[in-house]
Amino acid sequence: GDSVTQMEGPVTLSEEAFLTINCTYTATGYPSLFWYVQYPGEGLQLLLKATKADDKGSNKGFEATYRKETTSFHLEKGSVQVSDSAVYFCALSDQAAAGNKLTFGGGTRVLVKP
Amino acid sequence: DADVTQTPRNRITKTGKRIMLECSQTKGHDRMYWYRQDPGLGLRLIYYSFDVKDINKGEISDGYSVSRQAQAKFSLSLESAIPNQTALYFCATSDSGAPYNEQFFGPGTRLTVL
Repeated sequence: GDSVTQMEGPVTLSEEAFLTINCTYTATGYPSLFWYVQYPGEGLQLLLKATKADDKGSNKGFEATYRKETTSFHLEKGSVQVSDSAVYFCALSDQAAAGNKLTFGGGTRVLVKP
Repeated sequence: DADVTQTPRNRITKTGKRIMLECSQTKGHDRMYWYRQDPGLGLRLIYYSFDVKDINKGEISDGYSVSRQAQAKFSLSLESAIPNQTALYFCATSDSGAPYNEQFFGPGTRLTVL
């Protein structure tokens, strides 16, 4: 079945540091890939997406590139801020799978210190 | 106003009690989902509904039931709550007409079963 694996946290960084969160996936079909972010006390929000190989999703200074050859979708930001402290979830949606559901990774908590 | 709302936001109950969590949406989406979130496990799908007459079990449906009362309403019931159902529960919606399965999440319900 489909699965998503992402690095465990917590990841603690200083402001303006470079952030990378690794994400790899397995899927039976040709999935769309997503990063969702959950700020403290809130629900999940879509951060960025990519729907085909080599697509780069970007939003709020975050980027991730759909790498089909390595089945990866790593999230990066060049200079984090305290407001980026949140839990980040990598997810996939495989249209070949029954129900076209989202499959999530376990989440990575990021804490940015001033 | 929020597009996806959940009630209650917090609930504490005792083992054996029946609990209903409610979700409403104003996005006009046909698809609705219930997930639970546990630390380190990401979000896991409990049930999903592609329209009012189409309800399907997710990966962890045991101990739960759902009702799709209308396109805009999808409720989750715990017939006899047990402590390991203590978790954060999220409702989500998506549009079957969208080119990819972006889901929109409610703010969550924190349920504690004593």
